[in-house]
Amino acid sequence: DMKVTQMPRYLIKRMGENVLLECGQDMSHETMYWYRQDPGLGLQLIYISYDVDSNSEGDIPKGYRVSRKKREHFSLILDSAKTNQTSVYFCASSLGGVAETLYFGSGTRLTVL
Amino acid sequence: GDSVTQTEGPVTVSESESLIINCTYSATSIAYPNLFWYVRYPGEGLQLLLKVITAGQKGSSRGFEATYNKETTSFHLQKASVQESDSAVYYCALGDLAYKVIFGKGTHLHVLP
Repeated sequence: DMKVTQMPRYLIKRMGENVLLECGQDMSHETMYWYRQDPGLGLQLIYISYDVDSNSEGDIPKGYRVSRKKREHFSLILDSAKTNQTSVYFCASSLGGVAETLYFGSGTRLTVL
Repeated sequence: GDSVTQTEGPVTVSESESLIINCTYSATSIAYPNLFWYVRYPGEGLQLLLKVITAGQKGSSRGFEATYNKETTSFHLQKASVQESDSAVYYCALGDLAYKVIFGKGTHLHVLP
């Protein structure tokens, strides 16, 4: 069963708290992604991971960091969350080729108060 | 950097009418990017609708078609006769050599019965 799982689905945090968003995939995909989606802005790439401990910044990495210690797990960390990081976060994975399909999770809606 | 511009929504059409959602791209990191259309149905995650990796070729799926036009840098999505079940958000996207996938802002399609 090809699946990308994101936890949690909904999260409310206070400004300054640390946030951990987790993503898992069961397809042994090499490449994984974190995007955020805001109204009127579409999906913006935060980080891309090419494999374990091989991560690269996307278009909006500021305020975020990632961790990938196992191929099937990719975490997004917000150290001291800010209100402007309120958004819906999507994780995706792919086999890793230039034309490969991305498989998305259902998203995590994060609210930072 | 690379970018994708698509029809701003929402777009409302009646069932059995034709549809076109415009998409143009700007690619600075790659001469001929891979082009994709993704769709998000209500309550579901994003999923691939179709992709084309060769300029001049056409992709099709579920009655939708899109042709990769390198002269006009366009990848418009068309359907001859829409159905109510096509109501969704459609995203045009391009992929570069670094496996990064850049998305447009999305077009919300409402199909009236």
